[in-house]
Amino acid sequence: DTEVTQTPKHLVMGMTNKKSLKCEQHMGHRAMYWYKQKAKKPPELMFVYSYEKLSINESVPSRFSPECPNSSLLNLHLHALQPEDSALYLCASSQEGWMSTDTQYFGPGTRLTVL
Amino acid sequence: EDQVTQSPEALRLQEGESSSLNCSYTVSGLRGLFWYRQDPGKGPEFLFTLYSAGEEKEKERLKATLTKKESFLHITAPKPEDSATYLCAAANQGGKLIFGQGTELSVKP
Repeated sequence: DTEVTQTPKHLVMGMTNKKSLKCEQHMGHRAMYWYKQKAKKPPELMFVYSYEKLSINESVPSRFSPECPNSSLLNLHLHALQPEDSALYLCASSQEGWMSTDTQYFGPGTRLTVL
Repeated sequence: EDQVTQSPEALRLQEGESSSLNCSYTVSGLRGLFWYRQDPGKGPEFLFTLYSAGEEKEKERLKATLTKKESFLHITAPKPEDSATYLCAAANQGGKLIFGQGTELSVKP
């Protein structure tokens, strides 16, 4: 089983709202990732957690705040977003830590619209 | 600078018309080459991982190959359900996936 789940599937929020995206995997994977994908573009890496520690932050604006409460769960807290932040947000996980060459398995994504 | 280039950007095939998608890469210390399939509005679905030149992997109508500079995804006798965007990604020395822009495949019955 290589399932990564994400909730919600769709989210519409105003620029003053605070919301959170959730990602879960029960494969025992030790690295988890957040990507942002705009239409007709490839995924762009945002954050990497490896063994529950933040390993990579790709210079993401502070209005995006990641959190890894345990090895199976990854959250992305959103606050004061801009309309240009509207995108498909993807979570992924891989077996070993960040520096391994293990395959990353993606979730179905959360379609975020910022009004 | 690490770079992955996919061609063509879009490919239209008739059902049963075999073809190949290309992925050229210049990546420092390639640690793996990955192929994904992505349907509109959904997350990428893993297809293959290739680690060394000469390696080949097959799954149903798909076959992926790897050389020192490029990878090919061969599609044999495609069906309409094979229509999707196919993404190629190379893992660099630091473990980061460098994605190509994708090839949008359309298979008409």
